[in-house]
Amino acid sequence: KQEVTQIPAALSVPEGENLVLNCSFTDSAIYNLQWFRQDPGKGLTSLLLIQSSQREQTSGRLNASLDKSSGRSTLYIAASQPGDSATYLCAVYPEYGNKLVFGAGTILRVKS
Amino acid sequence: EAGVAQSPRYKIIEKRQSVAFWCNPISGHATLYWYQQILGQGPKLLIQFQNNGVVDDSQLPKDRFSAERLKGVDSTLKIQPAKLEDSAVYLCASSLSLEEGGSYEQYFGPGTRLTVT
Repeated sequence: KQEVTQIPAALSVPEGENLVLNCSFTDSAIYNLQWFRQDPGKGLTSLLLIQSSQREQTSGRLNASLDKSSGRSTLYIAASQPGDSATYLCAVYPEYGNKLVFGAGTILRVKS
Repeated sequence: EAGVAQSPRYKIIEKRQSVAFWCNPISGHATLYWYQQILGQGPKLLIQFQNNGVVDDSQLPKDRFSAERLKGVDSTLKIQPAKLEDSAVYLCASSLSLEEGGSYEQYFGPGTRLTVT
C-alpha cells in the first residue's frame, strides 16, 4: 500500500529565505508526482507535475525534484514571500492503480 | 478554459439530515474524482468515474454515501443520513487519462465545506 509522508508538518520562515519541503513515498512504482498548494478554505492548486521519467520541473521560484528509486521528492521555494504562506501537499499517482495518494501536507508561514 | 466548478461552497446541516454536492469538471475531461478532506489531513479519494462508469469506490461508505455521473459530465455526491464525522471539505477533481493524451494531472475545484452539527 502506497504511503506518502511530508516533513516538516509545519514551517515558519522570515521573508526572503530559500526553503525546502520534503516528500517521501513507500512504493517507487509511480506514473507521476504532483505538488499542490492549498490556501485556507480553498481547493487545491496544482503547482508542478513531474512524470516518472523526469528528474525535476521548474516554475518561476519553484523547483521540484524527483528521485523515484529512493522514493523522495523535494519542493524548493526561492526567495520566499508572505504570499507563499499556505499548505503544500505532495501526491503520487501509482503505476498499478488509479488513485492519487496524498501526504498530510506542510503548513508554511512566511513572516514579513 | 473554465476550471472545475462546485456548489454549494458551504453547507451546515444537522446530523441525520441529507445533503448533496454538485460538480462540473473541465470540458473534455472524462475522469472525475470526489475526495474527502478532513481538517489537518490530505484528501482521501471517495470515488472515481471514467465517463459515467465507476472505476474505484472502495473507500466510499456506501451505507450513507452515493454518487452518480449519469451523462458522463457533471456529478452529484450525496450523504444520507449525515454523521458528525462527515464534517470535512469535499473536493471534486478531473483529469485526462493517458489514453486521452493526458498525464493524469488532476485539476481541483474550490471544494464544499460541510459542517454537521
